[in-house]
Amino acid sequence: DAGVIQSPRHEVTEMGQEVTLRCKPISGHNSLFWYRQTMMRGLELLIYFNNNVPIDDSGMPEDRFSAKMPNASFSTLKIQPSEPRDSAVYFCASCSTGGYFVSYNEQFFGPGTRLTVL
Amino acid sequence: TQLLEQSPQFLSIQEGENLTVYCNSSSVFSSLQWYRQEPGEGPVLLVTVVTGGEVKKLKRLTFQFGDARKDSSLHITAAQPGDTGLYLCAGGGYQGAQKLVFGQGTRLTINP
Repeated sequence: DAGVIQSPRHEVTEMGQEVTLRCKPISGHNSLFWYRQTMMRGLELLIYFNNNVPIDDSGMPEDRFSAKMPNASFSTLKIQPSEPRDSAVYFCASCSTGGYFVSYNEQFFGPGTRLTVL
Repeated sequence: TQLLEQSPQFLSIQEGENLTVYCNSSSVFSSLQWYRQEPGEGPVLLVTVVTGGEVKKLKRLTFQFGDARKDSSLHITAAQPGDTGLYLCAGGGYQGAQKLVFGQGTRLTINP
C-alpha cells in the first residue's frame, strides 16, 4: 500500500490567496483526520471524518477553514483567504475504526504539506 | 485544553546513555499510543498499550502504561543517533471520543 498521500508537499502563497490541500487515505480506512503542527502549538486536530461524514470540527480555527470528504478516497482542506498565521505543516491521517477487529484508532499519517503564507 | 503533558520537552544526551520520557494526565484513557516523528515526515506509530500496568518492549525501547491508565513512560536503553526525533504520546478513548489527544511532544537528540 502507498500509505496516506498528501499534495502538494510544499505550498508558498501570498496573504489573501485561496489554498487547497489534498489527501488520499489508505484504502479501506474509514476515518480521516486533518492536523496542523507548529513549534508553538504542537500537533492540533482540526477536523475528522468517519465514513465520509464530518464528526468533530471543533478544532477548525475559524470560518476561513473548510474541509470536505466527497468520497472514501479523497479529502480536501481549504483556507480562504489565507493569512501568515496559517503557516504550518498540515497532516492528514487515516485509520480503520469499528468493524470485526478491535481497533484503538491507531493512525497512519501522510508526509504533510508545509504551507507558507507570505 | 492540554490533557496530556510530556516531559521533558527537550532532551539532548550522548550516545549510549539511557533516558526516560514521561506522558502524564489527570484523565483516564482507554489506550495510549507512542509515535516518533522525524524531520520532514509525519508521525509513525511505535506502540499501543491498552491495559493498566502493561509493559511492551520494542528492541531497546520499553513502554509502560500506568496502572490507572492516566500516564505512560518510554524508556530507551543505550540510545543511538538513529533514535533522534520528536516523540509524541497520544491518548485514545477519552470521554468515549474516537479522536486521539496528543501531548506536545519530546524532542530528543542523541549526540554521537
